[in-house]
Amino acid sequence: SYVLTQPPSVSVAPGQTARITCGGNDIGSKSVHWYQQKPGQAPVLVVYDDRDRPSGIPERFSGSNSGNTATLTISRVEAGDEADYYCQVWDGSSNHPVLFGGGTKLTVL
Amino acid sequence: EVQVVESGGGLVQPGGSLRLSCAASGFTFSNYEMMWVRQAPGKGLDWVSFISGSANTIHYADSVRGRFTISRDNAKNSLYLQMNSLRAEDTALYYCARVAASGSYCDSWGQGTLVTVSS
Repeated sequence: SYVLTQPPSVSVAPGQTARITCGGNDIGSKSVHWYQQKPGQAPVLVVYDDRDRPSGIPERFSGSNSGNTATLTISRVEAGDEADYYCQVWDGSSNHPVLFGGGTKLTVL
Repeated sequence: EVQVVESGGGLVQPGGSLRLSCAASGFTFSNYEMMWVRQAPGKGLDWVSFISGSANTIHYADSVRGRFTISRDNAKNSLYLQMNSLRAEDTALYYCARVAASGSYCDSWGQGTLVTVSS
């Protein structure tokens, strides 16, 4: 079955750029979506279809996807960006079509 | 305003049953696919089940197939998850989520309802 692999943690200083990866076999051929989840809160969509942002999500959040790796990039990181981030894909060829990565804890130093 | 609100969680013994509900408002419910996603304490997101707008397409995670049943009542703008033969590993916060009309992602989530399976 298809597996999405994320690093457990990423740390970055305020004002710097955070890059969170999501690995999967030929993930570049799929649409990747990213969610942010802060403690005690429901997930929030921050990037969909590899690189598009929902309304209300700052331009500091961007995405890319190629080959075997998709990346969520957060520019000019702020303390409020500290959260867990999850990637997700839809695998239409499977009877288990919705897949989440294991999640990455972003720590703002 | 788009809103989904879960209810029905609680404490249940192993082997027991529980029915979760999700009340939707602020959008034409029948036009949207929906799903249940759960999160065990301190763990990541775990997809549970998916249902199309007309309920003619349904999918389950392997871990719940045969024990859980997803359904919907479009006249009542409601989504359900009937959970039978519950196990300790089913303990989690269960989220109801709307699938975006344009894609394969969730654009609106509820706050979740907690299911605890314990004797």
